[in-house]
Amino acid sequence: SQQGEEDPQALSIQEGENATMNCSYKTSINNLQWYRQNSGRGLVHLILIRSNEREKHSGRLRVTLDTSKKSSSLLITASRAADTASYFCATDGNDYKLSFGAGTTVTVRA
Amino acid sequence: NAGVTQTPKFQVLKTGQSMTLQCAQDMNHEYMSWYRQDPGMGLRLIHYSVGAGITDQGEVPNGYNVSRSTTEDFPLRLLSAAPSQTSVYFCASSYRGQTNTGELFFGEGSRLTVL
Repeated sequence: SQQGEEDPQALSIQEGENATMNCSYKTSINNLQWYRQNSGRGLVHLILIRSNEREKHSGRLRVTLDTSKKSSSLLITASRAADTASYFCATDGNDYKLSFGAGTTVTVRA
Repeated sequence: NAGVTQTPKFQVLKTGQSMTLQCAQDMNHEYMSWYRQDPGMGLRLIHYSVGAGITDQGEVPNGYNVSRSTTEDFPLRLLSAAPSQTSVYFCASSYRGQTNTGELFFGEGSRLTVL
């Protein structure tokens, strides 16, 4: 069964707006990761946040982690057309089984 | 830099046929894995390996075999293809941690249709 669940399933925003998506999970983790997948392509790693971290930034990406609520959020600021993709959270426990959610599909309108 | 290379990119099989999906990485990663991606279900782990000579089952291993004779290669074998195995298959690798997977590097996928 999948550990992470993303919300919303789909998101449509105007270029320049911010996009926020959330991930909830069920069991304890070593770290949580976010990936992007463009249509027809493989997944690309975006950011990894460890269980003892609360917030992490990478360029226009901001990730938060709340282990007490077993949830994470990914914020993309000042979105661009190139940000149109599916975004997946993945939970990394201490078992070598990185578990992915079903993803959030983001469409950025020009 | 090649990264993770999967072949073939597309394949059509008939029910009952067998085939092997190839995966090779040139990053000297200890950890390799196979996922399948189906619409609305995200990625599900089929099999994984933490090093040469070591393999283990993931979430959906039935109908698939793997082996890891070298660090670079991790082929996935479909023993007797079924329509339920129609999917997109992804190979991924990483520098693993002591007990965790770490950041995965993915191939571009192999799209399999079983008629």
